[in-house]
Amino acid sequence: ILNVEQSPQSLHVQEGDSTNFTCSFPSSNFYALHWYRWETAKSPEALFVMTLNGDEKKKGRISATLNTKEGYSYLYIKGSQPEDSATYLCAFIRQAGTALIFGKGTTLSVSS
Amino acid sequence: DTGVSQDPRHKITKRGQNVTFRCDPISEHNRLYWYRQTLGQGPEFLTYFQNEAQLEKSRLLSDRFSAERPKGSFSTLEIQRTEQGDSAMYLCASSLDGSGANVLTFGAGSRLTVL
Repeated sequence: ILNVEQSPQSLHVQEGDSTNFTCSFPSSNFYALHWYRWETAKSPEALFVMTLNGDEKKKGRISATLNTKEGYSYLYIKGSQPEDSATYLCAFIRQAGTALIFGKGTTLSVSS
Repeated sequence: DTGVSQDPRHKITKRGQNVTFRCDPISEHNRLYWYRQTLGQGPEFLTYFQNEAQLEKSRLLSDRFSAERPKGSFSTLEIQRTEQGDSAMYLCASSLDGSGANVLTFGAGSRLTVL
């Protein structure tokens, strides 16, 4: 059974704070890692897909890094805003063509 | 194309009844996934299709669950003899291909409540 672990489970920050979350996955047989943002009452929205060890992706104030050798990815949010409040999901694929296995997510709440 | 559509958005049913959910993926997407999400959990994989072929089903998927994707277009997920434990959000997603290097586009989900 493949386990994708995310930490912390939830996080409360003040507007303007920077924060980061962790996604851990099996380091053997890695193919790709996805990050999604899921706002309440909306559909999960793709943030990044990363496939190479050392990959770094950036989208506005959000960035992600990938370490496939040790089996983790970090998601960073710089200068958090209330609209960043959402659940952030990571998903791991061990082999091309197989299904994404999701973690439980990190729920971020940003107070103004 | 307006994205991935799911219907109905909400379904309340009594235990023992059958329910069916429909998913219309993005038209040019070959891969279609069904996931289930319960409170405090991430999306749990149920099954996926490549065009009309159902390639993988989760071992957790009981015989009461069946999915189809006739002609490789829309998909249906049927749950027979529903149980209270089936209460969940059922998410459909599609992607351009099944490689895993392309993002999934999700629908808004179908929330099932079994009384």
